[in-house]
Amino acid sequence: QQPVQSPQAVILREGEDAVINCSSSKALYSVHWYRQKHGEAPIFLMILLKGGEQKGHDKISASFNEKKQQSSLYLTASQLSYSGTYFCGFRNSGNTPLVFGKGTRLSVIA
Amino acid sequence: KAGVTQTPRYLIKTRGQQVTLSCSPISGHRSVSWYQQTPGQGLQFLFEYFSETQRNKGNFPGRFSGRQFSNSRSEMNVSTLELGDSALYLCASSPGRKSQETQYFGPGTRLLVL
Repeated sequence: QQPVQSPQAVILREGEDAVINCSSSKALYSVHWYRQKHGEAPIFLMILLKGGEQKGHDKISASFNEKKQQSSLYLTASQLSYSGTYFCGFRNSGNTPLVFGKGTRLSVIA
Repeated sequence: KAGVTQTPRYLIKTRGQQVTLSCSPISGHRSVSWYQQTPGQGLQFLFEYFSETQRNKGNFPGRFSGRQFSNSRSEMNVSTLELGDSALYLCASSPGRKSQETQYFGPGTRLLVL
């Protein structure tokens, strides 16, 4: 089943923060976050494994709540380069495919 | 290392025709997954291959098929094309040994069906 992402779209000014949420109706094994800029391939951001960990690099971080079957991506002090569509991908077990949500379009304006 | 390559990059076909798309994974990667991307539906999973075997299949009609060769290159075929098949088709590769591995996407093949 496809992950449910929210919001569908968000517009930020430079320096503002944003949170993108992803939820599943099934138990999760791993969560994968990607960003895709217009006309380009999706680029890997980070992967989180079950166990409730949180990861981050620079000003982008993510959390994985195994009990709630949810993951959130946090973007702090956004930059123009953060603009793009963010996808979360879920694996429900070690043998199931990586299934993506419909994406969240993030636009950062000056 | 060279990234994932896909050919052709653009295709225009008419309804009823068939099309074959090709994907060359990163050297050493043995798993290839295919996705269909459309504006309304995001990335829809088509199928996943590992060592020439289909490991998973998405919810697409039988007109969509694929295969993987011994050198890990993969092809997908769509027969009897419909207007709704117009989309960006992305393939992604990973080493394939662990399920939590990162997938690396190619630039995609944009298919337009007239």
